[in-house]
Amino acid sequence: AQSVTQLGSHVSVSEGALVLLRCNYSSSVPPYLFWYVQYPNQGLQLLLKYTSAATLVKGINGFEAEFKKSETSFHLTKPSAHMSDAAEYFCAVSGRDSSYKLIFGSGTRLLVRP
Amino acid sequence: KAGVTQTPRYLIKTRGQQVTLSCSPISGHRSVSWYQQTPGQGLQFLFEYFSETQRNKGNFPGRFSGRQFSNSRSEMNVSTLELGDSALYLCASSLALAGRGEQFFGPGTRLTVL
Repeated sequence: AQSVTQLGSHVSVSEGALVLLRCNYSSSVPPYLFWYVQYPNQGLQLLLKYTSAATLVKGINGFEAEFKKSETSFHLTKPSAHMSDAAEYFCAVSGRDSSYKLIFGSGTRLLVRP
Repeated sequence: KAGVTQTPRYLIKTRGQQVTLSCSPISGHRSVSWYQQTPGQGLQFLFEYFSETQRNKGNFPGRFSGRQFSNSRSEMNVSTLELGDSALYLCASSLALAGRGEQFFGPGTRLTVL
């Protein structure tokens, strides 16, 4: 069964600093991986997804994530944080069996300091 | 194209009552998933329906049930409400099963149980 772990329930960075949100997954075969973002009082929105094409995936708003099979990781990065990036970020994994059940991590709240 | 809509947006109920929440997916989407979001437990998967069939289920008691209609609209029902059921209930729709591609989330229904 798949599972996903997000390290750090809160991450605080200064505006202009690198953003690094960590996600590790557990799966017997390379899964599909996703990052979603939730802005205050809104539903979730897809940032990017990995489905076995390029290991470096570029998403919206300048975010990208790299799939590292050897480390079972799919960390989310952005070179320079903006105040508008303050939100909660969720990593999710699904298997490639017939159910494609999507499992979300516990979320990381990103705080951006001016 | 209209997004995912959820009704009602806010709901107040008392313990022991039952509640029905509604979700209208994006036109053409066949999958609808439901999630419960609370500050303590984070984002918890309830169930997923695809073409009127429940395809995946989370670890919730039988008080939580759902269904999907032929037009892909979905409802979820919670019977015998408990205080702990107070949460934001999110609905998401997708073209294929949730774990295969992008899910589009609605704004949620905030349920308060008194």
